[in-house]
Amino acid sequence: DIQLTQSPSSLSASVGDRVTITCRASQSISTFLNWYQQRPGKAPNLLIYDASTLGSGVPSRFSGSGSGTDFTLTISTLQPEDFATYYCQQSYSTHSRTFGQGTKLEIK
Amino acid sequence: QVLLVQSGAEVQKPGSSVKVSCKASGGRFSSYAINWVRQAPGQGLEWMGAITPIFGAPNYGQKFQGRVTISADESTSTAYLDVSSLRSEDTAIYYCARSNSVTGRTLDYWGQGTLVTVSS
Repeated sequence: DIQLTQSPSSLSASVGDRVTITCRASQSISTFLNWYQQRPGKAPNLLIYDASTLGSGVPSRFSGSGSGTDFTLTISTLQPEDFATYYCQQSYSTHSRTFGQGTKLEIK
Repeated sequence: QVLLVQSGAEVQKPGSSVKVSCKASGGRFSSYAINWVRQAPGQGLEWMGAITPIFGAPNYGQKFQGRVTISADESTSTAYLDVSSLRSEDTAIYYCARSNSVTGRTLDYWGQGTLVTVSS
């Protein structure tokens, strides 16, 4: 299975900050990389797919980049509702859609 | 608008089995992959497997091969997850999630989750 490693595992930031989360794949996955946001007690929500395409209704302060093995999720100006856990997921392998271990974004 | 409604919480004993359902409404059920994802308490997301009803054969994550069965009933637009030989480590919220594209690469719509507790 393709492994995904996110960093950092947790992050403290303030409203208005710019934040970057990285995701590294154990092999090249082209741009078949998605990002999800999960708020406590809720199901995940698709933020970005194909590494850089914004999901439906997702605010433009979210952006994604990368290809091959290295990817980033950036939130340009943190809002209070952005404090949540973020997961990357690869969609390269049709037989396995593994997730990263998650990055918990907390209020400083 | 696609809606996924899952069956209710379950408490099962170790060694038993559990079957969780996921009923879809809106959109064409047969053409889009239904995935199953689980989340143990305080832990991350684990992809378990998926089925595209029109193709029939499910795919499973390596960890779940042999103990998990995913199926779908096109007549009722319902997908199922069957987990056998339950152990305490299977205590988790189980989510179904459907893709919005025929490539099945994204999880666009999610069920509300079903809590399965394994306890003697």
